[in-house]
Amino acid sequence: GIQVEQSPPDLILQEGANSTLRCNFSDSVNNLQWFHQNPWGQLINLFYIPSGTKQNGRLSATTVATERYSLLYISSSQTTDSGVYFCAVEANSGYALNFGKGTSLLVTP
Amino acid sequence: DAGITQSPRHKVTETGTPVTLRCHQTENHRYMYWYRQDPGHGLRLIHYSYGVKDTDKGEVSDGYSVSRSKTEDFLLTLESATSSQTSVYFCAISESLASNEQFFGPGTRLTVL
Repeated sequence: GIQVEQSPPDLILQEGANSTLRCNFSDSVNNLQWFHQNPWGQLINLFYIPSGTKQNGRLSATTVATERYSLLYISSSQTTDSGVYFCAVEANSGYALNFGKGTSLLVTP
Repeated sequence: DAGITQSPRHKVTETGTPVTLRCHQTENHRYMYWYRQDPGHGLRLIHYSYGVKDTDKGEVSDGYSVSRSKTEDFLLTLESATSSQTSVYFCAISESLASNEQFFGPGTRLTVL
């Protein structure tokens, strides 16, 4: 099946810092989503971005489908950004989202 | 936020007992999914449904069955729970395959003793 690799696995930032999270995938995809899992376990949709660039407030994402990677940018980080960020892709052949193992982010005051 | 609820939110049960988890949506979306989340594995698909009474297996379907008798409800059943099925279970929905953006419910934490 399709492989999804996220980096870095862990990240500690001071409030106000910027960061870039990366997602590499091994095959062509129909769908790519970024999620934030908050400390209460809820999965929050950040971006649906199979290609191109999108921005939502302090967050933005870029997917380069031809090179099989996506980037999530977090600017001016806040303590509420803490949690785990997942990249998930849907292969051309299936329904399922295939998740990476996530990047665990801790933003300190 | 997508209207997805899961019940129960927490459950503790004993090995060998049957367990049914419910996912309810108010979005009238055609596609519904059950995933499990385990440390070190991320989320993995158990079963999915592409319409009423239309279901299929996912990556980790052994020991699970599903049913969908109404658009809004998708049930996951563990016929005889085992300790390896201790996990957090998430339901997801999507409107179409052309744009298969999935939205997740709040999850059910299941512990099998």
